[in-house]
Amino acid sequence: KQEVTQIPAALSVPEGENLVLNCSFTDSAIYNLQWFRQDPGKGLTSLLLIQSSQREQTSGRLNASLDKSSGRSTLYIAASQPGDSATYLCAVWRGYSGGGADGLTFGKGTHLIIQP
Amino acid sequence: DTEVTQTPKHLVMGMTNKKSLKCEQHMGHRAMYWYKQKAKKPPELMFVYSYEKLSINESVPSRFSPECPNSSLLNLHLHALQPEDSALYLCASSQGWIPADIQYFGAGTRLSVL
Repeated sequence: KQEVTQIPAALSVPEGENLVLNCSFTDSAIYNLQWFRQDPGKGLTSLLLIQSSQREQTSGRLNASLDKSSGRSTLYIAASQPGDSATYLCAVWRGYSGGGADGLTFGKGTHLIIQP
Repeated sequence: DTEVTQTPKHLVMGMTNKKSLKCEQHMGHRAMYWYKQKAKKPPELMFVYSYEKLSINESVPSRFSPECPNSSLLNLHLHALQPEDSALYLCASSQGWIPADIQYFGAGTRLSVL
């Protein structure tokens, strides 16, 4: 069974710092990996999607990398801002062992606070 | 428009009540999902509909009954729930039921079962 782990569980840093969030998964047979943001009591917003054949994706101040063979991904946030405060979730698309589509398995998230 | 709309935002119900959660999208997406998220836990997949057909039921108790009446609408009918069913219920949609398609999430319905 696929398990997704995110480290650290919580992180508090001053505004302006660059930071790295980590995600690991136990089964490297994934189709893709997505990073989401969730604000308190709200739904999820997709930030970046990395296909299994890709090594990284970038969007603005965000850069996500994927090392499928080692089962790891990182989300790099440059020049952090108070508005970046949220919970960041990593999710992998698992597939049935017999092939075909399935769905997302999420990690528990990293709760990020950016201090003004 | 990348919006997935869920109603109601909040719902309180007793264990003998029958209620329904509604999810709507107008992006032309043909895959729709229900997830359950307990406090301080990650979302867990409950159901997947692809082209209005139920494709995945993740061993969800029968007191949760999904329905997809058309390609834009997804309902979750609730009956005889237990207090442990209290959670944030998230709906999502994607262009197709394939890994390459990004899932767009609604804001969720926060359900409390008394």
